[in-house]
Amino acid sequence: ELKVEQNPLFLSMQEGKNYTIYCNYSTTSDRLYWYRQDPGKSLESLFVLLSNGAVKQEGRLMASLDTKARLSTLHITAAVHDLSATYFCAVVIIQGAQKLVFGQGTRLTINP
Amino acid sequence: DAMVIQNPRYQVTQFGKPVTLSCSQTLNHNVMYWYQQKSSQAPKLLFHYYDKDFNNEADTPDNFQSRRPNTSFCFLDIRSPGLGDAAMYLCATSRVLGAFHEQYFGPGTRLTVT
Repeated sequence: ELKVEQNPLFLSMQEGKNYTIYCNYSTTSDRLYWYRQDPGKSLESLFVLLSNGAVKQEGRLMASLDTKARLSTLHITAAVHDLSATYFCAVVIIQGAQKLVFGQGTRLTINP
Repeated sequence: DAMVIQNPRYQVTQFGKPVTLSCSQTLNHNVMYWYQQKSSQAPKLLFHYYDKDFNNEADTPDNFQSRRPNTSFCFLDIRSPGLGDAAMYLCATSRVLGAFHEQYFGPGTRLTVT
C-alpha cells in the first residue's frame, strides 16, 4: 500500500523567509502533483512533476522530484502572506486510470 | 468557463435521509472521480468511473454509491448519511490519453448532516 508523508504538517513563518516542505512516498512512482487549498475551497493544481529530476517554478514556489529517493520538495522563497494555505502533495499510481494518493497536507501560515 | 461543476455547493441533510450530489463536466473526459475530504484531512478517493466501468475503493463504505448515466454527469448517492459523513465532496475528471492525464477538480460540495 502506497503511503505518502509530508512534513512538516504545520508551518508558521515570517514574511520574507525561505522554507521547504517535504513529501516522501513509499512505492515507486514517477509522477507527483502539488496542490494548494484555501479554507473551504477546492484543490488548486500548482505543479505536475512527471519525471525524475523534474523541477518547476512559479513565482515564489519551486517544486522538484527525485524518484530514486521517493522524495519531492516544495520550496518557498521570500514568503508573502498570500501564500498562507494548506499544501498537499499527491502521488500518482496507475491502475487503468490514474489514482492519486495524498499526503496529510501542510498548513502554512505566513505572518507579516 | 467552468469545466467541472458540482451542485449544490452546500447541502444540508438529516441523519439517515438519502442525499445525492451531482457533478458535471464540459471536458469530455472519460474518467470521473469522487473524493471525500473531512475537516483538516487529505482528500480520500471513494471511487471512480473509467468510461462506464465503476471502480470502488476497497475501504469505501457500502453507504456510498455512484451513478454515471452519461459521459458528462456523475452522481454520488449517500443512502443513509451519518454524522461522520459530513465532509467536503470533491469531483474530479481526467482523460486517459497517452502517458499523462491530469486530474481537474470541481469546486466541491460541502455536506452537513444534522
